[in-house]
Amino acid sequence: AQTVTQSQPEMSVQEAETVTLSCTYDTSENNYYLFWYKQPPSRQMILVIRQEAYKQQNATENRFSVNFQKAAKSFSLKISDSQLGDTAMYFCAFLQNAGGTSYGKLTFGQGTILTVHP
Amino acid sequence: ETGVTQSPTHLIKTRGQQVTLRCSSQSGHNTVSWYQQALGQGPQFIFQYYREEENGRGNFPPRFSGLQFPNYSSELNVNALELDDSALYLCASSLHNYGYTFGSGTRLTVV
Repeated sequence: AQTVTQSQPEMSVQEAETVTLSCTYDTSENNYYLFWYKQPPSRQMILVIRQEAYKQQNATENRFSVNFQKAAKSFSLKISDSQLGDTAMYFCAFLQNAGGTSYGKLTFGQGTILTVHP
Repeated sequence: ETGVTQSPTHLIKTRGQQVTLRCSSQSGHNTVSWYQQALGQGPQFIFQYYREEENGRGNFPPRFSGLQFPNYSSELNVNALELDDSALYLCASSLHNYGYTFGSGTRLTVV
């Protein structure tokens, strides 16, 4: 079974600075996807960034980038130029590539509460 | 493009009762998944529906059941509610397994 571990229950950062959230996972699969989701107080889970395991290049979405280390099973999220609106709970999640089927189960970590201070 | 809509937003039930939660999937999506998120925890996979059939299930007892309708909307039913069922229930729709879109959830409190 896959497991996802986020070892930082809480993080804080000053506005405009950079912060990195850590995530490790355990799997015996070779093809999978990794995600970072943001959950603000509105409760909706919002996709921040997605990484396909077969791609060596790290994914980037504007101020958000990842450091994907497949051999180490590590997937950290870097937020540059932090903004007050980035304050939220952040979840790392794993999805096994189900190939041609439609079955897919997201496995989430425990989450990291990020607070951006003015 | 409409998003995922869940109803109701909040619900209070008594232990032993039954509850039905509803989810309207995003336009163009054919797969619906349900997750249970206890306070301060990550979401846990309950089950997934595709073509109106359950095609995957997490470690939840049979009193958790669901339906998917021809328009891809879905229901989650929980019988014989227990205090530990108190949680945020999230619905996510997708086109197969590409691009999950989550709703804002239903906060269920069992007293």
